[in-house]
Amino acid sequence: QQPVQSPQAVILREGEDAVINCSSSKALYSVHWYRQKHGEAPVFLMILLKGGEQKGHEKISASFNEKKQQSSLYLTASQLSYSGTYFCGTENFGNEKLTFGTGTRLTIIP
Amino acid sequence: DTAVSQTPKYLVTQMGNDKSIKCEQNLGHDTMYWYKQDSKKFLKIMFSYNNKELIINETVPNRFSPKSPDKAHLNLHINSLELGDSAVYFCASSQVRGGGGQFFGPGTRLTVL
Repeated sequence: QQPVQSPQAVILREGEDAVINCSSSKALYSVHWYRQKHGEAPVFLMILLKGGEQKGHEKISASFNEKKQQSSLYLTASQLSYSGTYFCGTENFGNEKLTFGTGTRLTIIP
Repeated sequence: DTAVSQTPKYLVTQMGNDKSIKCEQNLGHDTMYWYKQDSKKFLKIMFSYNNKELIINETVPNRFSPKSPDKAHLNLHINSLELGDSAVYFCASSQVRGGGGQFFGPGTRLTVL
């Protein structure tokens, strides 16, 4: 079951903040976040496993709600290097398969 | 040192041909994957191996056959290539079977003419 990711695309100026959402109709085992730049491979950012968890990586952080059905990725004070397509990937209980969302294309302009 | 490597990076071939893509990881991971990313950037899992054992086999045509000679290698052989097989194929690996971050190879862009 593919997670629903929103928005589909975001355009920001350098220094602005963005939030990308990923939701599922069922409780998840885990949610992953990846960034893919044009012509490159997806790069792992972080994984969230516990309900209510918040995790940070420099100015990029993510949360996983208590019901484990919704995750958000927060990009603060965005930099040009943050441009790319962000994917969430979700794992269901009892199923080791990672299912990716449709992606959010983030463009940062100077 | 490259963590997950794939060869070739580009593959252009005619319909009906058979081709292989090779993947190697030097991260010591137990689990490896093949993903297909289509022109709309949708990333979909095809196969997964854990320590040479096939654990995920999605609805993929029989023309696709993965092989894992050891836990550091996962190859993908495709028979009778079709136009719809054109895509970027990514190999990935993870340390933990289910629940671990995945590390992707650079991808193989397959174009079927």
